[in-house]
Amino acid sequence: GNSVTQMEGPVTLSEEAFLTINCTYTATGYPSLFWYVQYPGEGLQLLLKATKADDKGSNKGFEATYRKETTSFHLEKGSVQVSDSAVYFCALSDWGADGLTFGKGTHLIIQP
Amino acid sequence: DAGVIQSPRHEVTEMGQEVTLRCKPISGHDYLFWYRQTMMQGLELLVYFNNKAVMDDSGMPKDRFSAKMPNASFSTLKIQPSEPRDSAVYFCASTFDRSYGYTFGSGTRLTVV
Repeated sequence: GNSVTQMEGPVTLSEEAFLTINCTYTATGYPSLFWYVQYPGEGLQLLLKATKADDKGSNKGFEATYRKETTSFHLEKGSVQVSDSAVYFCALSDWGADGLTFGKGTHLIIQP
Repeated sequence: DAGVIQSPRHEVTEMGQEVTLRCKPISGHDYLFWYRQTMMQGLELLVYFNNKAVMDDSGMPKDRFSAKMPNASFSTLKIQPSEPRDSAVYFCASTFDRSYGYTFGSGTRLTVV
């Protein structure tokens, strides 16, 4: 079956630090990969996506590259802000599978 | 576009009562999903629809949960009777193509006491 593994945290960083949140996946087919962000009390928002190997998704300074050889989709940002504090979910959508498969989420805390 | 609209935002009910959660997907989105989020289990897919038809409800406790989509712009998730272990945040999401990602609603926080 499909699965997504990500570091759960909490991850605590200082403002302007470099961020990496690791995500690896297992899929039976050729999945699309996503990062979602959830701010307190809100629903999940699509942050970025990639649909094929070597694609780079980017949005709001965040980036992630679809690495088929290592089955990974790590999220990075060069300089985080306090407003980036949230829970980040890695997810995949595999053709023929039902719904998105989510990781457990990584709670990110950015301190001023 | 108003996005995916869920109601109510919060619901507190007593054990044994019936609870109905509502969702309006984005117009033109043929797929609709109901997820449940808890601290212990994370995000769990309960049921999803394609063109108003249930495609998979294997994640849903069918003795007490039921999901319907009577038209393309409305879906309900009903719990009867409710139990304390049903306390969670319930999200509805929709999409026109699963490879493009989903749009989530703001969720309904359900507390069963």
